[in-house]
Amino acid sequence: DAKTTQPTSMDCAEGRAANLPCNHSTISGNEYVYWYRQIHSQGPQYIIHGLKNNETNEMASLIITEDRKSSTLILPHATLRDTAVYYCIVRVNQAGTALIFGKGTTLSVSS
Amino acid sequence: NAGVTQTPKFQVLKTGQSMTLQCAQDMNHEYMSWYRQDPGMGLRLIHYSVGAGITDQGEVPNGYNVSRSTTEDFPLRLLSAAPSQTSVYFCASSYPGVETQYFGPGTRLLVL
Repeated sequence: DAKTTQPTSMDCAEGRAANLPCNHSTISGNEYVYWYRQIHSQGPQYIIHGLKNNETNEMASLIITEDRKSSTLILPHATLRDTAVYYCIVRVNQAGTALIFGKGTTLSVSS
Repeated sequence: NAGVTQTPKFQVLKTGQSMTLQCAQDMNHEYMSWYRQDPGMGLRLIHYSVGAGITDQGEVPNGYNVSRSTTEDFPLRLLSAAPSQTSVYFCASSYPGVETQYFGPGTRLLVL
C-alpha cells in the first residue's frame, strides 16, 4: 500500500469548515483513498472513501486532486464532537487486506 | 443490530497467564480482524479471517492465536501474556469487497 503523509495536528473553530490534507504521491491506479477517525478511546469509525472522483456523504466531503497524489477531507461545519484523530489510508479495495493506520492528524475543535 | 461487540472491556493479567478476548458481530460479515493499538501509535493488524475456518497472520501475530468456527465470532487468544502485550485491542468486521470496516469498542489489557 502507498504511504501517506498527514500533518500531526490541526485546530478548527466550532462551526467552521475543517480541511484535513493528505499526501499520497506514490498511490497506484487501483488504490482507493479512505478516511477513518478515532474519537478518544473509541474504535475507529469509517468516514468516506474514493478512487478519483470527489465524494460526499452525510459526514464529510472528499476532494481528490486530478493526479491523485493528494486529497482533502472536509468537515463542512465542525462541532466539538469532531475532535478526534483522523487517518488517511490508501489501499486496494480487496477483502482480506489490512487497513494500515499511520499516526494520523489530531483535529482539535474549540468553541 | 448490536454491531461489533467485545468482551471484556478491561482486563489485568499477570505475566505468563493466558486469556481469550471475545469478539462477536451480528451483521453477517465474512471478514473479521484483530488490531492492537499502543499509546500514541496507529493500529497494527494481528490476525484476520476472510470466513469461517479461514485465518491468516497480520503484521504482529506472535504471541496470539485465533480461530473462526462461526461467521459471528472471532476470539483472540493470548497464549502466555507478556508486559509487551499491554495494549488496547480492537476487533473489526466488514463485508468482503466492501472495505468499510466496523470496529468494536476495544478491550484494554494490562499485563503486569
